[in-house]
Amino acid sequence: GNSVTQMEGPVTLSEEAFLTINCTYTATGYPSLFWYVQYPGEGLQLLLKATKADDKGSNKGFEATYRKETTSFHLEKGSVQVSDSAVYFCALTLNTGNQFYFGTGTSLTVIP
Amino acid sequence: DTAVSQTPKYLVTQMGNDKSIKCEQNLGHDTMYWYKQDSKKFLKIMFSYNNKELIINETVPNRFSPKSPDKAHLNLHINSLELGDSAVYFCASSPRTGGAYTEAFFGQGTRLTVV
Repeated sequence: GNSVTQMEGPVTLSEEAFLTINCTYTATGYPSLFWYVQYPGEGLQLLLKATKADDKGSNKGFEATYRKETTSFHLEKGSVQVSDSAVYFCALTLNTGNQFYFGTGTSLTVIP
Repeated sequence: DTAVSQTPKYLVTQMGNDKSIKCEQNLGHDTMYWYKQDSKKFLKIMFSYNNKELIINETVPNRFSPKSPDKAHLNLHINSLELGDSAVYFCASSPRTGGAYTEAFFGQGTRLTVV
């Protein structure tokens, strides 16, 4: 089947620390991969995406590379800020599919 | 302009009542979804519509009935509300252009509390 597994949280980091949130997937077809962010009390916003192998998605200092050989799409940021505190979701959809599959979400808290 | 808007944002109601949540998207997308987010933030697909046609109906109690009057609207009606229905419900939409999907756009969510 299709599924996304991401590291469990919560994750607490000091400001300017390096962030990695691991995400791996299984897919019956060729997926597009996404990272969404959810700030408290809000809906999900697209953070970045990659639609084919070796693509790198990037936005607001966050990056993730679509690794087909390891079925992974890990999220990284070199220096986190307090404003990055949120829940991060890894997701996939198939070109022939009708839904988005989400990981369980990873809560990130950045402390000053 | 809000891309995907859902109303109301908060809904508090008693067990046994019937309620509706409305969703509208102004993005011209063909596909719309309802997701349920539980207290642990887990997101579960409930329904998916493409051009007003139901294409995914996950294992959801039949007290939940979606309605899509046109491709810009997808409403969710819930009968005989139960305590376990308390959650945040998200509407979303995405384009469907050939075989290439882009991202889903989400509404702000409706926090339903059943007391």
